Amino acid sequence: QVQLVESGGGAVQPGRSLRLSCVASGFTFRSYGMHWVRQAPGKGLEWVAVISYDGSTQYHADSVKGRFTISRDNSKDTLYLQMMSLRTEDTAVYYCGKDLGTLIEGVDVWGKGTTVTVSS
Amino acid sequence: QSVLTQPPSVSEAPRQRVAISCSGGSSNIGNNPVNWYKQLPGEPPKLLIYYDNLLPSGVSDRFSGSRSGTSASLAISGLQSEDEADYYCAAWDDSLNGWMFGGGTKLTVL
Repeated sequence: QVQLVESGGGAVQPGRSLRLSCVASGFTFRSYGMHWVRQAPGKGLEWVAVISYDGSTQYHADSVKGRFTISRDNSKDTLYLQMMSLRTEDTAVYYCGKDLGTLIEGVDVWGKGTTVTVSS
Repeated sequence: QSVLTQPPSVSEAPRQRVAISCSGGSSNIGNNPVNWYKQLPGEPPKLLIYYDNLLPSGVSDRFSGSRSGTSASLAISGLQSEDEADYYCAAWDDSLNGWMFGGGTKLTVL
């Protein structure tokens, strides 16, 4: 079955960097767009970034633009989120999501998430 | 404040029908299909409705969706206790070049 497993979360100080990974299985990874969506404690869902099936197109939310970068390695069935200049407001559970199509159809399958805590 | 507006909470009795609204603008709901998600506490979201009114495999037909103009709606009929959850609408925004989520609606089955 389709499975997404995130890793790389943890506790980090403001201003530091972190890289999240998401390993996909059960579907043809290279054929689908992929997303990162986050959820701060007790808050709603916030879309972070999306990358096209072939990696040629990426979009990032304004709140992370210039600090976060989404990328993928189709040879490893793996999605990444490089996070730099982290802020306390980046504290959240980060979910990896498979797109219904090649880029912007929306998430149909979600991972269980990895927790990022930014605190001094 | 979310680009898409949902009521913070709704409640209804078991076996009744409830509708959750999602209001947006011309650059999102007015021009793009809407997805709906259900989230239980401590769990990742689950896709409930896609492309306005399509049900993924395994989702009960008690759930239905619609979109008109710059608004969308999720309806749940025959309410059951297991329907208690947070529900989110989402749509692509052409102006912001990003996915927008509503603020979420907490459904309580009385």
